[in-house]
Amino acid sequence: DTGVSQDPRHKITKRGQNVTFRCDPISEHNRLYWYRQTLGQGPEFLTYFQNEAQLEKSRLLSDRFSAERPKGSFSTLEIQRTEQGDSAMYLCASSSMTGRLGNEQFFGPGTRLTVL
Amino acid sequence: LAKTTQPISMDSYEGQEVNITCSHNNIATNDYITWYQQFPSQGPRFIIQGYKTKVTNEVASLFIPADRKSSTLSLPRVSLSDTAVYYCLVGDPIYNQGGKLIFGQGTELSVKP
Repeated sequence: DTGVSQDPRHKITKRGQNVTFRCDPISEHNRLYWYRQTLGQGPEFLTYFQNEAQLEKSRLLSDRFSAERPKGSFSTLEIQRTEQGDSAMYLCASSSMTGRLGNEQFFGPGTRLTVL
Repeated sequence: LAKTTQPISMDSYEGQEVNITCSHNNIATNDYITWYQQFPSQGPRFIIQGYKTKVTNEVASLFIPADRKSSTLSLPRVSLSDTAVYYCLVGDPIYNQGGKLIFGQGTELSVKP
């Protein structure tokens, strides 16, 4: 399977704990995006990378959130001191600037976070 | 960024054609119209993209009138497996703030037997 993969698929944690999610994009894609989705809403943009450079962060991404893409391949999203409001589906997507269609993004299955 | 308006939900029956209309009155010259589909517990999936007139692929058709202030996603002969949320997005796919996608609430399509 050469699609976008995310790990873990589900994470249950207690308030105040730190969590880290991993995303492996499609190998030849140079752009990687993180989105967050709550029940009944569309995904909301969090941040994106072009290769290893983090080029934009949403205002939704508080200081407790940090994302990395150290070698321009996989990415991690860490949430420190989790709060109940962080409970959501965290989606990763990747795209190629040289794709046939303008920035068609390929999404992973998401990591569902539940903060108790 | 152009804001989009689409129905919250729609119901249909198997075998029918479904048309979902999206309004985007403030669409800019460089903006494209893109539709994504999302099944429960999965990430969204690209369906179709267009700039004007009509675009057709193996999954759907996209109709865009001359003024481009609205668009219609057409799904021919839907099946139960087409039950999903459909998102209409408008933006410049290359230069729009790094290509990030701005999703609205989407249209929840329910196909019944």
